[in-house]
Amino acid sequence: GDSVTQMEGPVTLSEEAFLTINCTYTATGYPSLFWYVQYPGEGLQLLLKATKADDKGSNKGFEATYRKETTSFHLEKGSVQVSDSAVYFCALSVNNFNKFYFGSGTKLNVKP
Amino acid sequence: DSGVTQTPKHLITATGQRVTLRCSPRSGDLSVYWYQQSLDQGLQFLIQYYNGEERAKGNILERFSAQQFPDLHSELNLSSLELGDSALYFCASSVGPATGELFFGEGSRLTVL
Repeated sequence: GDSVTQMEGPVTLSEEAFLTINCTYTATGYPSLFWYVQYPGEGLQLLLKATKADDKGSNKGFEATYRKETTSFHLEKGSVQVSDSAVYFCALSVNNFNKFYFGSGTKLNVKP
Repeated sequence: DSGVTQTPKHLITATGQRVTLRCSPRSGDLSVYWYQQSLDQGLQFLIQYYNGEERAKGNILERFSAQQFPDLHSELNLSSLELGDSALYFCASSVGPATGELFFGEGSRLTVL
C-alpha cells in the first residue's frame, strides 16, 4: 500500500549546521509529496510541497526535490536556527488528495 | 491559528466508555480529515469527509465512527474504549480535494485509564 518512511530521530544539530532529513515513499500512481512541521503544543502546518516529479518545494530556507527515480523527498536546510526545533513529517497524498499518509515524524533539536 | 477548532482539548475517561470529539473546519473548507497520533504509531489516517459524504477511509477501527454535518463540522465517536486508544486525535480541513494543503487543529488528547 501507500506509505512514507522517514529517518528516525531525534536529530540534534548546532545552530547554523546543515540539515538533511531523509524521506522515501511507496505509492501507486503519481503521488504529491509534502513536508509538514509541528511545533510544540501545536497542530501540523504545511512547510512545503511538490506535486510532480523533479519539482522542488521551498519555504523558509527549507527545500525538497521530488525524485521519482529514487522515490525520495529529502528535506534540507543550509543553516538551521534554534527556532527550527520541531517535529518534521513527510507526507504523500493519492487519490486526488482524498488520502494523506504521513511518516512517523523526525524530531529536530537545534542547540545554540 | 489555523482556523480549525477542536474540542475538547483534553479528555480523561475509563475503559469501556464512549467519547465524542468535535471539529469545526476553517470557514469555507468542505473537507475534513481525522488522524490519530500515538507515540508508537505516528500519525495514522482514519477517515475523510467532503461536504457531508465519506470520501476515504484509512485505518479506522470498527469501534470508531465519524460523520460530517450539514454545517460542515465533524464528530469522531470512539466507543468501547481501550487503553491503547489513548492518543492525540487531530482534525484537519481543506477547501476540497485537489488543493493539496491540510490545515490542522491543535488536537484532542484522549487518555483512557
